[in-house]
Amino acid sequence: KAGVTQTPRYLIKTRGQQVTLSCSPISGHRSVSWYQQTPGQGLQFLFEYFSETQRNKGNFPGRFSGRQFSNSRSEMNVSTLELGDSALYLCASSPAARSSYEQYFGPGTRLTVT
Amino acid sequence: KQEVTQIPAALSVPEGENLVLNCSFTDSAIYNLQWFRQDPGKGLTSLLLIQSSQREQTSGRLNASLDKSSGRSTLYIAASQPGDSATYLCAVHTSGTYKYIFGTGTRLKVLA
Repeated sequence: KAGVTQTPRYLIKTRGQQVTLSCSPISGHRSVSWYQQTPGQGLQFLFEYFSETQRNKGNFPGRFSGRQFSNSRSEMNVSTLELGDSALYLCASSPAARSSYEQYFGPGTRLTVT
Repeated sequence: KQEVTQIPAALSVPEGENLVLNCSFTDSAIYNLQWFRQDPGKGLTSLLLIQSSQREQTSGRLNASLDKSSGRSTLYIAASQPGDSATYLCAVHTSGTYKYIFGTGTRLKVLA
C-alpha cells in the first residue's frame, strides 16, 4: 500500500503571495490532518478533515485554510504569506475509526518565505 | 487544555546502552498515545501506538508503557545503535477531539 504523499516537497515563495499544498492519504483512509512544524513552536495542529468536513481547527489565523475532496485528497492554502510561515508542513492520514486513530505521516512540504 | 511534555530535551549515549524517554500529559482522558521518530528534515515515522485500555506495546527493541492515571508514558530503547539517532516525539489523542497534541521531542544521539 502506498504511503501518504505530499506535493510539492519544496517551495520558495515571497511575502504576500499565496500557496497551495497537496496531500494524498493512504488508500482507504478518510481522515486527513495538517500540522505545521517550526524549530521554535514544534509540531502544531492546523486542521483535520473527514469526509470533506472540517472537524477540528487549531489556533491559526484565517489565512490558513484547507479542504478535502471526495476522494479524500486534501489541500491547504496559505494566503498573504509572512516570513513566519516558513516551516515544514506535514500531512497525516488515518482510518479515523475511533478505536484505532493511528496517524501516518507524509514526508512534508518545506515552505520557505522570503 | 492538553499539554504534553517530553524529558529530556536531548540525550547523548554510547552505543549499546538501554535508555528511557519520558512523555507526560496533563489530561488523562485520552483515546491513545503514539510514539514517533523523526529524522532531520523528514516526516514522522510511527513507532508504537498504545490504546487507552493498554498498559504497554512492544516492537523489536522498543517498548512503550502508558500510565493514564499519572499522565505518563515511557519509551524504552534496548541496546541502542547509532541508527537510532533521531528526534523522538510522543503525541496524545485527547478524548472528544480529532487531533493529536505533540510533545516537543527528545533529540537522541547514539555514539558509535
